[in-house]
Amino acid sequence: GQNIDQPTEMTATEGAIVQINCTYQTSGFNGLFWYQQHAGEAPTFLSYNVLDGLEEKGRFSSFLSRSKGYSYLLLKELQMKDSASYLCAPRAVGGSYIPTFGRGTSLIVHP
Amino acid sequence: EAQVTQNPRYLITVTGKKLTVTCSQNMNHEYMSWYRQDPGLGLRQIYYSMNVEVTDKGDVPEGYKVSRKEKRNFPLILESPSPNQTSLYFCASSLSITGIHEQYFGPGTRLTVT
Repeated sequence: GQNIDQPTEMTATEGAIVQINCTYQTSGFNGLFWYQQHAGEAPTFLSYNVLDGLEEKGRFSSFLSRSKGYSYLLLKELQMKDSASYLCAPRAVGGSYIPTFGRGTSLIVHP
Repeated sequence: EAQVTQNPRYLITVTGKKLTVTCSQNMNHEYMSWYRQDPGLGLRQIYYSMNVEVTDKGDVPEGYKVSRKEKRNFPLILESPSPNQTSLYFCASSLSITGIHEQYFGPGTRLTVT
């Protein structure tokens, strides 16, 4: 099984930088997804990490450390529209390769 | 336009009245899945399908059935709905569950069982 831990809620100011952490324990590991979900809407894909290090994609970056069972999502130059829930979803190796979703971190961006 | 569609988007029903929520994707994806999302519990997988005629239970399958007779469709069936199945349901699809293929989610179905 998988244990996934993310902060429940975070607040930040428009224009700032915020880091959303995710720790996980899996019986094996084969990559980790980050999704964004606005209230009442469907999740949408943000990033995927399978190797250690930082993957940058515009204002959003995602970091992975496999040895520590740790990932973070970094959001720069925050905008009001970044107010959403961010879901961490690690995937176990072998078996069905199906990702398991964490409970998500609700990010509130205020002016 | 590549998309996952679900119907209905909203449904209020009574305990015990069988219902089906349809899900269809137009991307020729092999993998499809159903999730329910409840406050404080996140997205939990109900059932998934690796390909046509191949389905398997997720983490919370009790009270649900699925079928995958065609690649594009993956309906969710509640034979005898109960109030604890009141939830927001999402269907998702992916080209494959291996590799780096992300899941595409439908818009969601908000179900209330009274």
